[in-house]
Amino acid sequence: EVQLVQSGAEVKKPGESLKISCKGSGYSFTSYWIGWVRQLPGKGLEWMGIIYSGDSDTRYSPSFQGQVTISVDKSINTAHLQWSSLKASDTAMYYCARRAGYTYDYWGQGTLVTVSS
Amino acid sequence: QSALTQPASVSGSPGQSITISCTGTSSDVGGYNYVSWYQQHPGEGPRLMIYEVSNRPSGVSNRFSGSKSGNTASLTISGLQAEDEADYYCSSHTSSSTLLFGGGTKLTVL
Repeated sequence: EVQLVQSGAEVKKPGESLKISCKGSGYSFTSYWIGWVRQLPGKGLEWMGIIYSGDSDTRYSPSFQGQVTISVDKSINTAHLQWSSLKASDTAMYYCARRAGYTYDYWGQGTLVTVSS
Repeated sequence: QSALTQPASVSGSPGQSITISCTGTSSDVGGYNYVSWYQQHPGEGPRLMIYEVSNRPSGVSNRFSGSKSGNTASLTISGLQAEDEADYYCSSHTSSSTLLFGGGTKLTVL
């Protein structure tokens, strides 16, 4: 069974750094891309970027380029999304999703990130 | 890139059919058959309902169907049921090799 399990909710202060994770199982992890999607409170879905788990080839949405870093550790079948300096506006739910072809078929359960002083 | 255009809300009675539209450009919806539709219930993550315009993943009811004409894709739900009440999002691959989502449509089952 394909599963993407994300790390737990985080509460951080502005200016702090953060790295959240997405662990894949039940499939050949290094053969697929993993994408990240943001959902602001009460709002729609926004595509942030994607990484190929096999070779770390990474693409970013122009809206998120330079704001976050996407990485992968294939030794533990895990993709990461990280911030070096969080802002209150980063408060959102973040989802990872596996891309098969051009379809995001399996999604993680989401990680809620709250940034507040 | 602007989000794909979806109606903010649609509604229908149990047993009826509804259609949600998703309008883009020739650089996304019109240029590729890589349109997907997702269902999201409150407090849950998105669930893939339709991929590559009109294909249903295993486990998705055949009451859900998808189509595309030009720059507009559509999701049709027939035989509406109470459990269909949710937010629905379309997405499309783009010429910039990014993914673009629609703004979302809230479906209310009356």
